[in-house]
Amino acid sequence: GESVGLHLPTLSVQEGDNSIINCAYSNSASDYFIWYKQESGKGPQFIIDIRSNMDKRQGQRVTVLLNKTVKHLSLQIAATQPGDSAVYFCAEGRNAGNMLTFGGGTRLMVKP
Amino acid sequence: DTAVSQTPKYLVTQMGNDKSIKCEQNLGHDTMYWYKQDSKKFLKIMFSYNNKELIINETVPNRFSPKSPDKAHLNLHINSLELGDSAVYFCASSHTALAGSYEQYFGPGTRLTVT
Repeated sequence: GESVGLHLPTLSVQEGDNSIINCAYSNSASDYFIWYKQESGKGPQFIIDIRSNMDKRQGQRVTVLLNKTVKHLSLQIAATQPGDSAVYFCAEGRNAGNMLTFGGGTRLMVKP
Repeated sequence: DTAVSQTPKYLVTQMGNDKSIKCEQNLGHDTMYWYKQDSKKFLKIMFSYNNKELIINETVPNRFSPKSPDKAHLNLHINSLELGDSAVYFCASSHTALAGSYEQYFGPGTRLTVT
């Protein structure tokens, strides 16, 4: 079936470096994408979202890039800090309803 | 604080028991959800309610029964608990998609352990 694909790998970066977390999706009907951050023992928290009519959106220290041609989504975190250590999830949504389909998550570890 | 809250945070129980998890949101949202997160962190939608009506019901055993007494509450009742039900359950809420936003706000989770 169609799904947002992201197995749970671990990305380890040095504090101060930039981080890039990738996500592949397979449903071409998806028109909305969202990144969540989940810290240990907490629920997922919204980071940034993007609609399919855009290819880039920037927030505070974060940028989401969307490449619809290859069905690829990425989250870039600038100047990664220890507080960025968490599991990051991408999710896709469709205009047909509120349902979000989540990928498997990437664990980001920031080394001091 | 405006938030999505869940009770209890931890729930340890034996196989065969019946238990409930409660969820409340004070964000004025009209859509609420239950997700199950397994030990590998995979988040799977279980149910979605809009204005107290069921709109999404994924392939979940009928031992799981959500109940929405009003727009601000969505409780999850589980009958005859099994070992495989052990997971973290998250409640979430959002405005309807027609409002132009898909962002879902998550509660802190309930860790259910079935022994």
